Order: sequence, then C-alpha cells, then structure tokens
Amino acid sequence: DAGVIQSPRHEVTEMGQEVTLRCKPISGHDYLFWYRQTMMRGLELLIYFNNNVPIDDSGMPEDRFSAKMPNASFSTLKIQPSEPRDSAVYFCASSPRQGERYGYTFGSGTRLTVV
Amino acid sequence: KQEVTQIPAALSVPEGENLVLNCSFTDSAIYNLQWFRQDPGKGLTSLLLIQSSQREQTSGRLNASLDKSSGRSTLYIAASQPGDSATYLCAVLGAAGNKLTFGGGTRVLVKP
Repeated sequence: DAGVIQSPRHEVTEMGQEVTLRCKPISGHDYLFWYRQTMMRGLELLIYFNNNVPIDDSGMPEDRFSAKMPNASFSTLKIQPSEPRDSAVYFCASSPRQGERYGYTFGSGTRLTVV
Repeated sequence: KQEVTQIPAALSVPEGENLVLNCSFTDSAIYNLQWFRQDPGKGLTSLLLIQSSQREQTSGRLNASLDKSSGRSTLYIAASQPGDSATYLCAVLGAAGNKLTFGGGTRVLVKP
C-alpha cells in the first residue's frame, strides 16, 4: 500500500490567491482527516469525513477554508483567498473505521507558504 | 474537551541512556492512544498504538504503557541512539466524536 498521498509537497503562493491541497487516502479507509500544524498551535484537526460525508468541520478556521471529498479516493482542502497567517504544514490522515483497534495513518504533508 | 500534555517539551541525553517520555490526558473516555515520531520537515510516523483495554505495547526498543484511570502514558526507548533524535507526539482518540487530539510533543536529542 502506498499510504496516504498528499500533493503538492510544497506550495508557495501570494496573498489573495486560491490554494488547493490534495489527498488520496488509503484504499478501504472510511475516515479522512485534515490537520494543520503550526509552531504556535501544534496539530489541530480542521475537518473530518466518514464515507465521503463531512462529519465535523468545527476546526475550520473561517469561511475562506473549504474541504470536499467527491469520492472515496480523493479529497481537497481549499483556501480562498489565502493569507500569510495560513502558512503552515497541512496533513491528511485516514483510518479504517472507528474503534480502539484502529489508528490513523498520516501523509507526508503539504508545506504552505503564503507571502 | 480533551487536553493532552507532554512534559518535558525538550530532552537531551547521551547515547545509550534510556529515554522516558510522558503524556497526560484529561478525559479517560478514549478508544486508544498512539505515539508518533516526527523528524524535522517530515510527516508523522506511527510508532505504537495502545488500545484502551491494554496496559502496554512493545516494539523493539520501544515500550509504551497506558494508565487510563490516571490519564497517563509513558513511552520508554531503551539504549537510545543518535538516530532516535526527533519529536515524539502522543495522541488520544476520544470515544466520542472520533477525534484524535495531540499533545505538543517532546523534542529529543541524543548526543553521540
């Protein structure tokens, strides 16, 4: 299994531009999560999906952020318009299902820099 | 709301010494606890997962314990090596809402 695949690995964009981050979860995993990591706040859950349906988006910082999961093998996190304070590493993770036996597998992350 | 704390935030030891990393959490209603390793500029690698019904898990030089009633977990790394230098994160999966909550991490430096 190739694991959770994220693209791009690095993204540098100008303030005001739209940014789209992509994630392919592990095949057969029912849950997909988007996290953001910053030095100040550590790892924060932004949103998660179960069977392609958004379940909890309470961590999405503001309306500029949106996430979709059109099918079981693909998800996007979009920021429009981007701001310098959005600079962070964004991780995608997936999990087979809910329960004590199941852990999360993380992708390698996308390092976003907004200038 | 679940809160996860890791102390100390940073740790420096000479090669060969055993490492002890601590993690505490406030809500004992959990499914499991995971320990991750993160190298600078890299992603998270899962090291160990302890189910809520278990007391410990072992993998090679790594051993993690879980005391759910007191809200504590400890990661032991035996005979540390310079290659063990990294940030170690613990994360708790809550039994309600399927949310994985992370501690702030312990940055470990093993000096040759």
